Order: sequence, then structure tokens, then C-alpha cells
Amino acid sequence: QVQLQESGPGLVTPSETLSLTCAVSGDSISGSSTYHWGWFRQPPGKGLEWIAAISHRGSTNYNPSLKSRVTISADTSKNQFSLKFNSMTAADTAVYYCARHVYGAGLGHWGQGILVTVSS
Amino acid sequence: DIQMTQSPSTLSASVGERVTITCRSSQSISSWLAWYQQKPGKAPQILIYKASSLESGVPSRFSGSASGTEFTLTIDSLQPDDSASYYCQQYSGFPWTFGQGTKVEIK
Repeated sequence: QVQLQESGPGLVTPSETLSLTCAVSGDSISGSSTYHWGWFRQPPGKGLEWIAAISHRGSTNYNPSLKSRVTISADTSKNQFSLKFNSMTAADTAVYYCARHVYGAGLGHWGQGILVTVSS
Repeated sequence: DIQMTQSPSTLSASVGERVTITCRSSQSISSWLAWYQQKPGKAPQILIYKASSLESGVPSRFSGSASGTEFTLTIDSLQPDDSASYYCQQYSGFPWTFGQGTKVEIK
């Protein structure tokens, strides 16, 4: 059974860069051409927003509204993928999730989420 | 970007009632739509994919349908455990987008 686990700081100072990692177990992030691995976020009390995704071959896609501030990457040797989000502001306070998308079948597996608060 | 317009934003229904949530896409997404259930403090869980395919392990009282650019999630015989927020998501292409969500409350 595939499992995803987010890790990173729970508190970030305004203007800093957020670095998050999603460790994957039970599956290989480079193992299937039908997978995308993605990052999402959800501000407190609000809806879900897609941030970025990376394919098994390392091709990337970004939310146009966030693209200038975000980088997604993968480390196949550690079977994990990461998100860097620069110039953080209070508006970026949210629960950040990683998830696996299977072609045609949606986001079937999610991490538990990590709350990131942006505050001085 | 494809916009997903979901309604209603909240609904309140009694146990045993039939509940319907609608999502409309701003352009054709074929059947590339999923529905998720999210309970407070938890990650979303997929219910339906490809508009009408029930995810393994999901109770059969949940169903999805599509007509053009209008998509519907139906909960037959609402149960107390169904109290949650529900989101649609299109994955026809990038950027992936979600509906605004529907909060379902039990009367």
C-alpha cells in the first residue's frame, strides 16, 4: 500500500523560502508512466489548491498563479519529491499536502498534510 | 484555465435523505473529473473518478454522473458519517482545478 509523508518546518518567517519533502513508501516515484506526484495546499477554512506536479520522468507542471515562486523536484535515490516555495507571506499559511495522481483515476493517495504558518 | 463551479456551498439534510452536489466546468473535460470527501483535520479521500467510477472501498450509496459539462455527486440515503466537505476536481489537463467545495451537514 503506497504511503506518502510530508515533512518540513511548521513555521516560516515572512519572505523566507519554504522547503517541503514528501517521502513515498510502497511505490517507486519513477516506476510508472501513469503517475504524477503533486503538491496541494489548503488555507485554514478554505478550499483545495493545486500547486505543482512532477511525472515519473521528471517533467514538471505548475499552477500559473504560483509558478514564479515554486519549484518541484524529485530524488529517485531517496524515493521522495520536494517543493520549494519562495517569498512566503501570511497568505501562504496553509496545510500543504502531497499526493499521487494515477492517469485517468485521480488522486487516490494523499499524505496526512503539514500545517505551515507564515509569521514573524 | 478550466474553472470548476460547485454548488451548493453548504447543505443540510436528514439521515436517509438523498443529496445531490453539482459541479460545472467552464469547458469540456470529457469525463476527467473526480470527487473527494474531506473531514476536518484530515486529507481528502477520493470517492469517484472518471466522473462515475466508484473508488474501491467507497460505499455504494455514493455515485457520480455527467452530462456535458455538468457533473453530479449523489449520496443516496445520507448517513451520519457523511458529514464532511466535498470537492470536485478536473484533471483533463494542467492546471488541475478544484471546485469551491460543499459542506454537508446532518440535520
